[in-house]
Amino acid sequence: EPEVTQTPSHQVTQMGQEVILRCVPISNHLYFYWYRQILGQKVEFLVSFYNNEISEKSEIFDDQFSVERPDGSNFTLKIRSTKLEDSAMYFCARSRGVTYEQYFGPGTRLTVT
Amino acid sequence: AQKVTQAQTEISVVEKEDVTLDCVYETRDTTYYLFWYKQPPSGELVFLIRRNSFDEQNEISGRYSWNFQKSTSSFNFTITASQVVDSAVYFCALVSGGYQKVTFGTGTKLQVIP
Repeated sequence: EPEVTQTPSHQVTQMGQEVILRCVPISNHLYFYWYRQILGQKVEFLVSFYNNEISEKSEIFDDQFSVERPDGSNFTLKIRSTKLEDSAMYFCARSRGVTYEQYFGPGTRLTVT
Repeated sequence: AQKVTQAQTEISVVEKEDVTLDCVYETRDTTYYLFWYKQPPSGELVFLIRRNSFDEQNEISGRYSWNFQKSTSSFNFTITASQVVDSAVYFCALVSGGYQKVTFGTGTKLQVIP
């Protein structure tokens, strides 16, 4: 399967700063997702994105979060004002349909200090 | 609501032993999809298998096999003749009800000792 790339691999930021995590799904899949995994815990769904708009989001995905696909390829997750508890691994994923398997990127480790 | 339970937090086996990872799911929907993902120490999530609720046939892929039983709401994963490279965290996951999010279990950490 074609890969999903994510940049950066590791981001360190100070509390209150904005961060943008980037994902490039190398395929023609139409569904994109963001998940997070706090260290040692399970993977949690944040948001799904289809046809250039959010199709579903979790209670974690509050007003501090936003997603967009600004140029038709990169898929970004923005956290406006980071908190210590935002420290986690953030995974981007893609699939060809809502009931199909999702293929994950390698993740971005976000550390908020 | 959907829920996935992986009661085994950590399992250690000696190389070449068989090991079964348990997964119990909950959903009110009649149509749903189950998945297993592997997360090796390097951290990425690797897709292993997808099964829909209408297909209860067991599946075998090399040393891996999956036992799907709707009667007990279980989707267990067996590794035969385990190898050190199988050491990872294994997640069972569920999609149901037309939702797009994948609900993951808490994972089972498998350690295969040489």
